[in-house]
Amino acid sequence: DAGVTQSPTHLIKTRGQHVTLRCSPISGHKSVSWYQQVLGQGPQFIFQYYEKEERGRGNFPDRFSARQFPNYSSELNVNALLLGDSALYLCASSLGTKETQYFGPGTRLLVL
Amino acid sequence: KNQVEQSPQSLIILEGKNCTLQCNYTVSPFSNLRWYKQDTGRGPVSLTIMTFSENTKSNGRYTATLDADTKQSSLHITASQLSDSASYICVVAQISYNTDKLIFGTGTRLQVFP
Repeated sequence: DAGVTQSPTHLIKTRGQHVTLRCSPISGHKSVSWYQQVLGQGPQFIFQYYEKEERGRGNFPDRFSARQFPNYSSELNVNALLLGDSALYLCASSLGTKETQYFGPGTRLLVL
Repeated sequence: KNQVEQSPQSLIILEGKNCTLQCNYTVSPFSNLRWYKQDTGRGPVSLTIMTFSENTKSNGRYTATLDADTKQSSLHITASQLSDSASYICVVAQISYNTDKLIFGTGTRLQVFP
């Protein structure tokens, strides 16, 4: 069984650009969560989606948005990139909103 | 403020030795506590999950304990192996209406040397 997959694995952007990160959950999982992990820190919660609806939102600016598709895959969008957005972006899937979350390998974003 | 603090920040041990990592939290209301292992540049992998009523849980050479009264948890690694080198993150789930909000510690970086 495939685990959580994320694409791309690495990405380099410049300030002011826009980025879209993608996540495919484990088959049968209906919830997807997004986290930002800055080097040397623990992951910070960005969003959680369940059945295509937003169920939770962390303390991130409106430049960050996400959505979940009918097949439960998800996209994270970040507009007007800042240098501080450079981080590892993790996607996690779970059966529901309270079950164990299984993390993908992450997308490493570098903003120059 | 809901926080999860871990100690030590980093740890170096020799292969075959045991070690214990600590986690203190102030998260409320408490749902459960999880320990994750994260290899460099990879996503975290769940080791254990404990609810309020569970004091200890094992997963192979990993044993986690939870004292909900003092809001402390520990992760004990027995007979360490080189592959145990990683960051170990303590995560506390906070009960909220729609979902459990996960609050992550900053992790303990463990290095196991031969």
